[in-house]
Amino acid sequence: NAGVTQTPKFQVLKTGQSMTLQCAQDMNHNSMYWYRQDPGMGLRLIYYSASEGTTDKGEVPNGYNVSRLNKREFSLRLESAAPSQTSVYFCASSGKDSFYGYTFGSGTRLTVV
Amino acid sequence: GIQVEQSPPDLILQEGANSTLRCNFSDSVNNLQWFHQNPWGQLINLFYIPSGTKQNGRLSATTVATERYSLLYISSSQTTDSGVYFCAVGPGTGTASKLTFGTGTRLQVTL
Repeated sequence: NAGVTQTPKFQVLKTGQSMTLQCAQDMNHNSMYWYRQDPGMGLRLIYYSASEGTTDKGEVPNGYNVSRLNKREFSLRLESAAPSQTSVYFCASSGKDSFYGYTFGSGTRLTVV
Repeated sequence: GIQVEQSPPDLILQEGANSTLRCNFSDSVNNLQWFHQNPWGQLINLFYIPSGTKQNGRLSATTVATERYSLLYISSSQTTDSGVYFCAVGPGTGTASKLTFGTGTRLQVTL
């Protein structure tokens, strides 16, 4: 099925470990986004990529890096995980078609101990 | 940055009841979307509605951009409507725009 695929779905890290969250979309969308969701809060933008080859910081970029590998893939890297990065991470994509808006992946639940 | 306030924060309805969720935002926007997060955490786009009115089945939405608010109407609610409803806004035109989310309205529909 067409959509946004995130891997892994769950991950437990120790403080200081690194990891990369993967995101891929097959809808030929230009723009991709990484958000985090903490309990009782809305989603906050970490990084986004308006088009292939460009990335920009969002509201909460500290501690993260991103790579727009190609039009389909947008990865999020935690270089040295901290307990404050325990969260649910969502990847989303959007295209030029104004009717449908964002499409979200199913999320990655990350726990840093 | 843009501030987004949603009300009410929590809502409990009996199946079959109607409800109105409100989203106020602090600045002009060219992008406004409503999302439903189901109890399993999946986020589903309901409407892209920077202005005007749209309807999709039992759901409809109205955005009055000049007065900086949007309303989501749910009619004849069902238990499957339970979850959290988010309003998100952004300055960019079209859908390729970073969004600022409200903190959501948590809806519980009971039998």
